[in-house]
Amino acid sequence: EAGVAQSPRYKIIEKRQSVAFWCNPISGHATLYWYQQILGQGPKLLIQFQNNGVVDDSQLPKDRFSAERLKGVDSTLKIQPAKLEDSAVYLCASSLGHQISGPGGYTFGSGTRLTVV
Amino acid sequence: SQQGEEDPQALSIQEGENATMNCSYKTSINNLQWYRQNSGRGLVHLILIRSNEREKHSGRLRVTLDTSKKSSSLLITASRAADTASYFCATVDTGRRALTFGSGTRLQVQP
Repeated sequence: EAGVAQSPRYKIIEKRQSVAFWCNPISGHATLYWYQQILGQGPKLLIQFQNNGVVDDSQLPKDRFSAERLKGVDSTLKIQPAKLEDSAVYLCASSLGHQISGPGGYTFGSGTRLTVV
Repeated sequence: SQQGEEDPQALSIQEGENATMNCSYKTSINNLQWYRQNSGRGLVHLILIRSNEREKHSGRLRVTLDTSKKSSSLLITASRAADTASYFCATVDTGRRALTFGSGTRLQVQP
């Protein structure tokens, strides 16, 4: 089974610029998550989708971050404008719907490493 | 927000020794999971323990869960240099589906 695909792998932008990340979850996984992992910390949930609807975006800085999951498959996460403190790895994960299955139920992509200079 | 703290933050041991990492959390959970992350890479699931379980084994891994103390431990026996990585505990809170991660333990296994 193919894993969770993310692109780009790396991105360097200047502050105040905009950037977008893309995620393609495992086929059939209804739930998709975006996490932000700042260097030296654990991942923090930004947003959770169930199909194409938002379940939890309580920790998403909505003044600059936005995310969508059109058609309930691929997802994009956008930052506009970026700040220095947005430098982090952005991880996408997916899981089946309401039942946790498999070894942990969640599969993570390799992440996009964003550096804001 | 982070679920809790992991202890120690960093651990350095010799190959063949055992490594123990502890995790504390704050909420009522459905299950607790441990993940490994090699530098610059994604998270790899190691083991899941449900809230009604107290201990679980998988190969060289042993996980315990004490819901009364809201804590868990991960034991890696007979460590190898390839075990060098960061280890994170993550909880699935009751009524939620998303993982909430701890701050992680950086393990260095010296050959």
